[in-house]
Amino acid sequence: QVQLQESGPGLVKPSETLSLTCAVSDYSISSGYYWGWIRQPPGKGLEWIGSIYHSGTTYYSPSLKSRVAISVDTSQNQLSLNLYSVTAADSAVYFCARLGGDILTSYFDYWGQGALVTVSS
Amino acid sequence: DIVMTQSPDSLTVPLGERATINCKSSQSVFFSSNNKNYLAWYQQKPGQSPKLLIYWAFTRESGVPDRFSGSGSGTDFTLTISSLQAEDVAVYYCQQYYSSPPTFGGGTTVEIE
Repeated sequence: QVQLQESGPGLVKPSETLSLTCAVSDYSISSGYYWGWIRQPPGKGLEWIGSIYHSGTTYYSPSLKSRVAISVDTSQNQLSLNLYSVTAADSAVYFCARLGGDILTSYFDYWGQGALVTVSS
Repeated sequence: DIVMTQSPDSLTVPLGERATINCKSSQSVFFSSNNKNYLAWYQQKPGQSPKLLIYWAFTRESGVPDRFSGSGSGTDFTLTISSLQAEDVAVYYCQQYYSSPPTFGGGTTVEIE
């Protein structure tokens, strides 16, 4: 059973960088699969941020592409999210997830519990 | 981007009765070369992360009760809960993964009457 756990600051100031880490256990990222980040503003729906292959190849949402970077650290078995120049609109619960089927165009079969990030001064 | 539209926004159903949630995509998510619909359904309970229920439009994820079923093809899909249980109170989302970016429906809240 693959487990994912997000961690990072719960409060970020406007214009600064939101940084989160997702630790993966019971599965080695280097073995395969795509991994992604999805966010959910309070009381709202789900928005895909981007995905990364274990090789490091990344795919980003067009609406966030200019401000986001996702990376993978296979030695630590974790992935990271950096979202730059944040505003209040970036306040959300951020989830990391694995894409099933080992393909980019896939459903998300394992999810972390989520990390609430609030952007406020 | 493919827009996913769910209906209704919310649904109140008596215990043991059928609940039906609809999801419509702005373009077909059916891939003829493998005869598959790139459509998934998730359940999200309050304070929890989404849980995958169904993928490829009708394939139930391991461990998901058989009262959950998916149907449809092309642009119109349905999630049916055949006999609603108390533990099924949640928000349900559809998601297309036919093309990038993957997109989700707005969600349907299911409550017990």
